[in-house]
Amino acid sequence: AQKVTQAQTEISVVEKEDVTLDCVYETRDTTYYLFWYKQPPSGELVFLIRRNSFDEQNEISGRYSWNFQKSTSSFNFTITASQVVDSAVYFCALSEASFDSNYQLIWGAGTKLIIKP
Amino acid sequence: GAGVSQSPRYKVAKRGQDVALRCDPISGHVSLFWYQQALGQGPEFLTYFQNEAQLDKSGLPSDRFFAERPEGSVSTLKIQRTQQEDSAVYLCASSPTGSPLHFGNGTRLTVT
Repeated sequence: AQKVTQAQTEISVVEKEDVTLDCVYETRDTTYYLFWYKQPPSGELVFLIRRNSFDEQNEISGRYSWNFQKSTSSFNFTITASQVVDSAVYFCALSEASFDSNYQLIWGAGTKLIIKP
Repeated sequence: GAGVSQSPRYKVAKRGQDVALRCDPISGHVSLFWYQQALGQGPEFLTYFQNEAQLDKSGLPSDRFFAERPEGSVSTLKIQRTQQEDSAVYLCASSPTGSPLHFGNGTRLTVT
């Protein structure tokens, strides 16, 4: 069965620190997609990244980076030099659907990130 | 605005009342999803539309829940005879097929 585990319920760091959010997934499929979404206090989930299972290259986008390791079934998210505006709940999600990668998304419980000034 | 719009933003219903939650997706988006999000949890899938066709309603918790998208744009999630356990945030998301989801701000439903 598919499952996404975000073991860190809440993380609190001081601004400018680096922080890594962990995501571990379970799937029996060889083809799947992994996502990260951000949910600020306004409530609107914001897409950050999508990765398919055949692309293990790490990705960097500004202060954000993602480390995808199939060997450990992990897709971790690092924020470098954190800022107060990064405070939000971050969700990792998994999809095995082939015709629409958004279909039947399995979501983790989320990690609440608090950045203190 | 160009985003997904949901209304109302907040809804308080007495147990047993019917409610209707509206979602205006981004124009031209084929796929539309409804999710239910309990406090402190990730979203849980309710139902999925491609245009006007409801392709999957397996996540609807009971037959009191009903969703429609008659013209392939606006969608309505209806809950009949609301119960306290229906209290949650209901999220709508739309996308071109296979492209990243765009979410609305959600409707927070409180059943008293």
